[in-house]
Amino acid sequence: GAVVSQHPSWVICKSGTSVKIECRSLDFQATTMFWYRQFPKQSLMLMATSNEGSKATYEQGVEKDKFLINHASLTLSTLTVTSAHPEDSSFYICSASTSGRASYEQYFGPGTRLTVT
Amino acid sequence: LAKTTQPISMDSYEGQEVNITCSHNNIATNDYITWYQQFPSQGPRFIIQGYKTKVTNEVASLFIPADRKSSTLSLPRVSLSDTAVYYCLVGVLRDYGGSQGNLIFGKGTKLSVKP
Repeated sequence: GAVVSQHPSWVICKSGTSVKIECRSLDFQATTMFWYRQFPKQSLMLMATSNEGSKATYEQGVEKDKFLINHASLTLSTLTVTSAHPEDSSFYICSASTSGRASYEQYFGPGTRLTVT
Repeated sequence: LAKTTQPISMDSYEGQEVNITCSHNNIATNDYITWYQQFPSQGPRFIIQGYKTKVTNEVASLFIPADRKSSTLSLPRVSLSDTAVYYCLVGVLRDYGGSQGNLIFGKGTKLSVKP
């Protein structure tokens, strides 16, 4: 149980274009989803938190107009990288969690490798 | 904000027991301790979670002393496939609030298992 998928697993796009990454919880309802970014040989960095039906909360230094997050349902959240540039090339990972749990537990997707040329 | 400190890397041999310690001196009363494993180009995988004393599951044990200022992940009889980065996180999900939340990954410990 608690499976999270991401699509696509990898994507190559040209500079200036936009890319959408989907994150789905397959067997549970995720009231909260998180988006991380990970550069090579570095740790995960939280970008934003999204709750179903409300606006995402972005971490300091993350441009909300560049990284658009939509959490339209309890099983789907999307991250759109707008006007992508080579410096946006990274490994993007989502995670999902259910509400009402006292413990700190989130389930991660397999990640999406974005390369901007 | 409970920050964590782990060794950057550890080496081991197949069949040995590996213990990775994480320091979290300012852990809060409601904080849980969670360990994740990450292979290259994959999302982190949940290993184990605990609040106090000892927790054991089919893959690992987690030892937490009474003061909860540290925790030790114990991997019994490691194999080559256990080579990965291990992250320790401390926090409570529902206390999350923007940049003051608890969803901060430290640098992790890179475990290398040799034959």
